[in-house]
Amino acid sequence: KAGVTQTPRYLIKTRGQQVTLSCSPISGHRSVSWYQQTPGQGLQFLFEYFSETQRNKGNFPGRFSGRQFSNSRSEMNVSTLELGDSALYLCASSFDGGRSAGELFFGEGSRLTVL
Amino acid sequence: AQSVTQLGSHVSVSEGALVLLRCNYSSSVPPYLFWYVQYPNQGLQLLLKYTTGATLVKGINGFEAEFKKSETSFHLTKPSAHMSDAAEYFCAVSEDNQGGKLIFGQGTELSVKP
Repeated sequence: KAGVTQTPRYLIKTRGQQVTLSCSPISGHRSVSWYQQTPGQGLQFLFEYFSETQRNKGNFPGRFSGRQFSNSRSEMNVSTLELGDSALYLCASSFDGGRSAGELFFGEGSRLTVL
Repeated sequence: AQSVTQLGSHVSVSEGALVLLRCNYSSSVPPYLFWYVQYPNQGLQLLLKYTTGATLVKGINGFEAEFKKSETSFHLTKPSAHMSDAAEYFCAVSEDNQGGKLIFGQGTELSVKP
């Protein structure tokens, strides 16, 4: 079974630009969550999508947005990039809530550098 | 609101020694608790989880953790460290015991000396 696939793995942008990151979950998983990982703030939850609907949202500004498609693939977008957006963005998929709640399967991440 | 505190940002042990990584949590509901491991340049991998029932939870690679409600702790242990255990370890609590929102601790980097 293929794991969670994130593209691109590395990217460099400049301030003010926007970026779109893609995530393909494990087959059969309907929930996709996004996390930002930085040395200073650690792992922070961005949002979760389930069946194309945002089910949960973290405390990030509106510049951070996401969506999920009917095949469960997900994208996140960051507009008007700031230097502080430089981070590893991790996508995680899971089967569903209930007893599997929190059992996340992570991709290797997309490392964004903002210059 | 839930929170997680990991004591010690860096722990160093000798190969074959006991590994003990500490985690304390706060939660307003009976918590789901997790330990994840992250190897360099990789995503996170689930080591073990506690939901309900037996308080001693066994995970992969010989790790286990004990849920102690009275101490609000969920410490991770392994009897004998191996060089391949060197990684960063994260304790996490589920926000609502329903979906994919986890509150992570700051992480503990484990080094294993030969």
